Amino acid sequence: MVMTQSPATLSVSPGERATLSCRAGQSVGRDLAWYQQKPGQAPSLLIYDASTRATGIPARFSGSGSGTEFTLTISSLRSEDFAVYYCQQYNTWPLTFGGGTKVEIK
Amino acid sequence: QVQLIQSGPEVKRPGASVRVSCKASGYTFRFYTLTWVRQAPGQGLEYIGWISGSDGATDYAQNFQGRVTMTTDTSTGTAYMDLKSLKSDDTAVYFCARFRDFVLGRYFDYWGQGTQVTVSS
Repeated sequence: MVMTQSPATLSVSPGERATLSCRAGQSVGRDLAWYQQKPGQAPSLLIYDASTRATGIPARFSGSGSGTEFTLTISSLRSEDFAVYYCQQYNTWPLTFGGGTKVEIK
Repeated sequence: QVQLIQSGPEVKRPGASVRVSCKASGYTFRFYTLTWVRQAPGQGLEYIGWISGSDGATDYAQNFQGRVTMTTDTSTGTAYMDLKSLKSDDTAVYFCARFRDFVLGRYFDYWGQGTQVTVSS
């Protein structure tokens, strides 16, 4: 199943809100996760079940959506949040990831 | 704490095979399923397949069937991924990652640090 993320790159100033989108080729219910990846590191889990924050993830990260349309919002960007973000569906085999959104400093 | 520690970088010729290992600690190995994901240079994430920590059952993504074999050594809590008939576009960082729950949550809650595999003549 194709997962499409937009935009590919998002330029945001520190303290501003960032809104990332993920679209599924067919309904995945709420079986969607978000990951953050910094250069040279493995991805790390942010959100699962579309809107549940993983352990230790700050409240400025929030997920929403169901079916085919999902959103990751970072309410007030901090320097450590500039990274690439991936969505992943786990409703249907094979598991698939979106192409990623790079959040860069404006 | 949960840790997944992977083996070091590999350089292989086209047509060769590579084995990457992933040693788990901090949890009961047989209670979880491990998976493999790869990332080509500058690209996104590609799912390869999974292996059960309890009975060694496997399932591979179609793109890798016939070329990948996943195994475990439950005595050491280590998972292995063998990839054969390597091509230049297999050059990537290979990650092992743990499924949170095979039935209810097939997302990845812990990741290894990644292993660079370079295929070059």
